Amino acid sequence: DAGVTQSPTHLIKTRGQHVTLRCSPISGHKSVSWYQQVLGQGPQFIFQYYEKEERGRGNFPDRFSARQFPNYSSELNVNALLLGDSALYLCASSSLTGGSNSPLHFGNGTRLTVT
Amino acid sequence: QKEVEQDPGPLSVPEGAIVSLNCTYSNSAFQYFMWYRQYSRKGPELLMYTYSSGNKEDGRFTAQVDKSSKYISLFIRDSQPSDSATYLCASLSDTGNQFYFGTGTSLTVIP
Repeated sequence: DAGVTQSPTHLIKTRGQHVTLRCSPISGHKSVSWYQQVLGQGPQFIFQYYEKEERGRGNFPDRFSARQFPNYSSELNVNALLLGDSALYLCASSSLTGGSNSPLHFGNGTRLTVT
Repeated sequence: QKEVEQDPGPLSVPEGAIVSLNCTYSNSAFQYFMWYRQYSRKGPELLMYTYSSGNKEDGRFTAQVDKSSKYISLFIRDSQPSDSATYLCASLSDTGNQFYFGTGTSLTVIP
């Protein structure tokens, strides 16, 4: 079975631009979460979506937005990019909204560099 | 105070050694705990998933949760060079919609 897939794998953008990152969850998983991982740090929660509805949002500015589609794939959008947005963006899927028997399964991420 | 604290290391051990990786968490309401392994330029890979207190074993890996001290541990027996990676601990929030991660411990197993 295919795991979580993310595209693109690498991206270089200029300050002020916007970016769209894409994620396809494991087949049968209805929940998608987005995390930001800065070099040398653990992943930080950005969003969780379940059945196309936002179920949680981390401490990120409104420049970050996301959505989930009827096929459970998801997009993360970041507007007005800043140098500090350079990071590995991880998408994870799980079978439920969270709680028992629903650990996160991660993709390999999109590495975003803002210059 | 961060929700999950982890010593970043780095940790270097000889092949065959027993490795102990540790984290602490702040909220006594946390009940679900995970350990991930992350190789360079890859996403985190789920190793262990435990609920509440006690031990869980899977091959060479044992996860341990001590809720009284809010301490979680991962033990690796007979460590191999292929175990060289960054290990991340995580706890599910009491709201159930996000996981809090430690900063990761970098492990090198020397042949």
